[in-house]
Amino acid sequence: QITLKESGPTLVRPTETLTLTCTFSGFSLTTNGVGVAWIRQPPRKAPELLALIYWNDDKRFSPSLKTRLTITKDTSKNEVVLTMTNMDPVDTATYFCARRDKVSALTTGAFDSWGQGALITVSS
Amino acid sequence: DIQMTQSPSTLSASVGDTVTITCRASQTVSNFLAWYQQKPGKAPRVLIYRSSFLDTGVPSRFSGRGSGTEFTLTISSLQPEDFATYYCQQYNGYYFTFGGGTKVEMK
Repeated sequence: QITLKESGPTLVRPTETLTLTCTFSGFSLTTNGVGVAWIRQPPRKAPELLALIYWNDDKRFSPSLKTRLTITKDTSKNEVVLTMTNMDPVDTATYFCARRDKVSALTTGAFDSWGQGALITVSS
Repeated sequence: DIQMTQSPSTLSASVGDTVTITCRASQTVSNFLAWYQQKPGKAPRVLIYRSSFLDTGVPSRFSGRGSGTEFTLTISSLQPEDFATYYCQQYNGYYFTFGGGTKVEMK
């Protein structure tokens, strides 16, 4: 059974740096083709991919946010960490981590498992 | 970025209806298109991947079609548990993008 869980602060002040940790189980981030993503969803809006890290340390970032984002993995701890600098109230959202399955004839290639999400509020 | 446009944004329907949601990509995504269902307070759940393949455990009343830039999600014989918001998402190329969502609400 695959599980993912987000952890971090619930309240961040403007200009501060947000650090979120995704702790997962049931799969390995050393498996060829697998990735873990951070996706956020402002209230009543669509999800938005922030960053994605693959088994081989390949990384993908939102073009509009890439200067503010860092993503790292610790395969020994089954963790993926996202940092986002210079937080602003418009960054208030639920932040999800999700597994990206590899693309193959037998697997989805989609975000097939998600954490429950963490609501992050940016306010002074 | 590849922009994904869904229509309609809201759809009013009754139990037993057949509904269709459309998703258009600003450039071809081949068949690397997934559909998700999201209920309030929950994470999205993948229903369909690679345009037309049902994920494990997804009822057969859900179906997906399309390739290139135009895709559809059809729900046949809508059930009470299907009232939710649906998102398309492309996963072709460097960066993956979601559509704006379609809320299926009770008429």
